[in-house]
Amino acid sequence: ETGVTQTPRHLVMGMTNKKSLKCEQHLGHNAMYWYKQSAKKPLELMFVYNFKEQTENNSVPSRFSPECPNSSHLFLHLHTLQPEDSALYLCASLPGGSTDTQYFGPGTRLTVL
Amino acid sequence: AQKITQTQPGMFVQEKEAVTLDCTYDTSDPSYGLFWYKQPSSGEMIFLIYQGSYDQQNATEGRYSLNFQKARKSANLVISASQLGDSAMYFCAMRLTSGTYKYIFGTGTRLKVLA
Repeated sequence: ETGVTQTPRHLVMGMTNKKSLKCEQHLGHNAMYWYKQSAKKPLELMFVYNFKEQTENNSVPSRFSPECPNSSHLFLHLHTLQPEDSALYLCASLPGGSTDTQYFGPGTRLTVL
Repeated sequence: AQKITQTQPGMFVQEKEAVTLDCTYDTSDPSYGLFWYKQPSSGEMIFLIYQGSYDQQNATEGRYSLNFQKARKSANLVISASQLGDSAMYFCAMRLTSGTYKYIFGTGTRLKVLA
């Protein structure tokens, strides 16, 4: 399997639910990212992990909880979300070089009711 | 503060013609990289082209070229011979190369190629 995969592709949840988003890459990359993409706004960086260690937390509310058990897997645990959290959540990985591009997954379209 | 500005929310271009998508950036860091991505309706971000701040020549990748004007802090994407499959959102992004792993994205430009 190649590239960055994300599951589920679509998720509808109530504000009291708990769910998790999964990202997986088998590219041997060292860094992994979570982004939030809302309509008409730039991609918002949420979290960065490098060699399983969190290096960036961009003031993300605690209702979003990331987990990186190894360099190939990244999770985003969701609980008590708000309707304004509805967005496309993109995962990306990075080989590590300064000129390298990120490789993105297809995203999870989240709707919070 | 680092920032990417894309002033064109939407653009139309006739098939087989060239189109320029604008991008300006702001950073005081002397070392940075600039990227362009394409996002079709499927959602996945596809890397198109990269330009380093110290690169002397403008980057080219097939039908994509980057018009890099460092003094003006602009990094416009030029797509030549537009195809219907080029219809998508296009994002300009910047990465500082001073050890950070952060990327900063613009708001994007929606391009529609007309037959």
